Amino acid sequence: DQQVKQNSPSLSVQEGRISILNCDYTNSMFDYFLWYKKYPAEGPTFLISISSIKDKNEDGRFTVFLNKSAKHLSLHIVPSQPGDSAVYFCAASALVGGKLIFGQGTELSVKP
Amino acid sequence: SAVISQKPSRDICQRGTSLTIQCQVDSQVTMMFWYRQQPGQSLTLIATANQGSEATYESGFVIDKFPISRPNLTFSTLTVSNMSPEDSSIYLCSVVWGAGEKLFFGSGTQLSVL
Repeated sequence: DQQVKQNSPSLSVQEGRISILNCDYTNSMFDYFLWYKKYPAEGPTFLISISSIKDKNEDGRFTVFLNKSAKHLSLHIVPSQPGDSAVYFCAASALVGGKLIFGQGTELSVKP
Repeated sequence: SAVISQKPSRDICQRGTSLTIQCQVDSQVTMMFWYRQQPGQSLTLIATANQGSEATYESGFVIDKFPISRPNLTFSTLTVSNMSPEDSSIYLCSVVWGAGEKLFFGSGTQLSVL
């Protein structure tokens, strides 16, 4: 039972354009959502989060959108840079600091 | 953020042997978590390690296969016992840290079992 799903295993974007990574979840109890970025041979690093009381959170080039009715969140990266090339995981929990359930990851490739 | 050192970074092991992975944090933390990422899969929580008590294992993971130690507030080990090729994965140590209680990860241990 995959409670958090990232249906696109990979995404290729041109440098300077927008990257949109999508994530769907099934558990309506999830209240807190995070995005992590992972480079090869490194552990995941926290990128941005959003709680269910918001529908948008922005941090520099990164914006996360949450649509609770659709149980869907997305990460927008604008403008995309080659250094953004990595695997991006979305994660969800029922409370802040609670157990995280991760998606399968989307590998983003930003081409110069 | 917390600095998490994990070793070994990678290992190649023979079937039937055991490997102990160490995780050191530069600050005292109440809970430490061990995750596994099988090839092409998501990160899956193996267990939560609390200092001074038995680890709490998630469904599908048992103490005999993945014994965990937590001798103090900055250190933990995970042992992968009686390994088989299906145990080939990245194993990650993590802690909750800071305002908002975000999860921080070590660099991981890439394990290959032949």
